[in-house]
Amino acid sequence: AQKITQTQPGMFVQEKEAVTLDCTYDTSDPSYGLFWYKQPSSGEMIFLIYQGSYDQQNATEGRYSLNFQKARKSANLVISASQLGDSAMYFCAMREGYRAGTASKLTFGTGTRLQVTL
Amino acid sequence: DSGVTQTPKHLITATGQRVTLRCSPRSGDLSVYWYQQSLDQGLQFLIQYYNGEERAKGNILERFSAQQFPDLHSELNLSSLELGDSALYFCASSPIRDSHTGELFFGEGSRLTVL
Repeated sequence: AQKITQTQPGMFVQEKEAVTLDCTYDTSDPSYGLFWYKQPSSGEMIFLIYQGSYDQQNATEGRYSLNFQKARKSANLVISASQLGDSAMYFCAMREGYRAGTASKLTFGTGTRLQVTL
Repeated sequence: DSGVTQTPKHLITATGQRVTLRCSPRSGDLSVYWYQQSLDQGLQFLIQYYNGEERAKGNILERFSAQQFPDLHSELNLSSLELGDSALYFCASSPIRDSHTGELFFGEGSRLTVL
């Protein structure tokens, strides 16, 4: 079964508008972390935002916010005031079984390609 | 700049050949991860090393192997290459701190083309 599901292969948004990229996840571990990464056409992976499973509030980082709905197991990325430079692939990822002082792999979704138009 | 260095950035080789990809993690990061990204695909986890020891293994082919050296740099060896091995190979590292959220810091990737 897919642990991370991104159902939108591609999205278009007009400049200055907000856009929501969907992500659902599947885990039985009560301790986990959710991440969003951006991959522009140049190829590098850029960390955007993190949400821990025990965090009470939704994470925000500048124009990025994470709409975390634990009961629905969703962690949607909201980009406000889209800019042309936001055009990229966006990946949702999960780390399961987080324990302080350890390191563990991330499992990635298949990504959503966002195109910002004028 | 994430602080993770990967070489080479681009590599073109023929089927049946062997290549080595190199990764230097961020200063102080003990954990190194290798991921494969085929065309228009997500990132597939290959293998993780922590302070020289293999920590976790993903869908890594038997033709592939990796190691982490005492200076913490890592190498991914790909042998008997096939056309389907053409991909972007990422190395990532992460620190071990109680306050750390666990995000991975990625290198720019090594793009392998097998002809």
